[in-house]
Amino acid sequence: KNQVEQSPQSLIILEGKNCTLQCNYTVSPFSNLRWYKQDTGRGPVSLTIMTFSENTKSNGRYTATLDADTKQSSLHITASQLSDSASYICVVSDRGSTLGRLYFGRGTQLTVWP
Amino acid sequence: EADIYQTPRYLVIGTGKKITLECSQTMGHDKMYWYQQDPGMELHLIHYSYGVNSTEKGDLSSESTVSRIRTEHFPLTLESARPSHTSQYLCASSGPTSPETSETQYFGPGTRLLVL
Repeated sequence: KNQVEQSPQSLIILEGKNCTLQCNYTVSPFSNLRWYKQDTGRGPVSLTIMTFSENTKSNGRYTATLDADTKQSSLHITASQLSDSASYICVVSDRGSTLGRLYFGRGTQLTVWP
Repeated sequence: EADIYQTPRYLVIGTGKKITLECSQTMGHDKMYWYQQDPGMELHLIHYSYGVNSTEKGDLSSESTVSRIRTEHFPLTLESARPSHTSQYLCASSGPTSPETSETQYFGPGTRLLVL
């Protein structure tokens, strides 16, 4: 069964600290993996996208890594800011259909305190 | 910021009422999607469309219906709302752009529906 599991479910950190969010998936075949940020009451916004051949991708203070062999990805946030408080969702796409079927994790709820 | 809009943002309605959630995008995307998301849970695809006059049901069974008469417009309708329909509904679109953004889905802000 194709699944995407994220950990931790929730995380509280102090402003300025770094953190790492984890994503494990069993989706096969694999096309790409995206990390989305979803602010409360808003739709998800894409942060990074990685294909099979990529093992790291940065977007400002966000750095995503991908290990396609172990089917694991992480999202590292550097020097956190209050505006980083949001849910971070890992999304994996397969190649099994023309639609590019997406499998969503439940997200990690990050809270940054001052 | 993606040019995809949803109205209303919040809706409180009584059981049995007919409702239509609006979704519009100005990016010229062919593909559009409707997702349902409960608090703390993953997004579930309920409807999608490849283009005008194309509609398909998603992975999660839903009593709602959709239509795609124009490329930019993908409304979702519930003929008779029930409390079990209480949820957040997210609309998204995607289209061929650069290889970097290929098939990235751009989401609207969502509609939070409460059925009493």
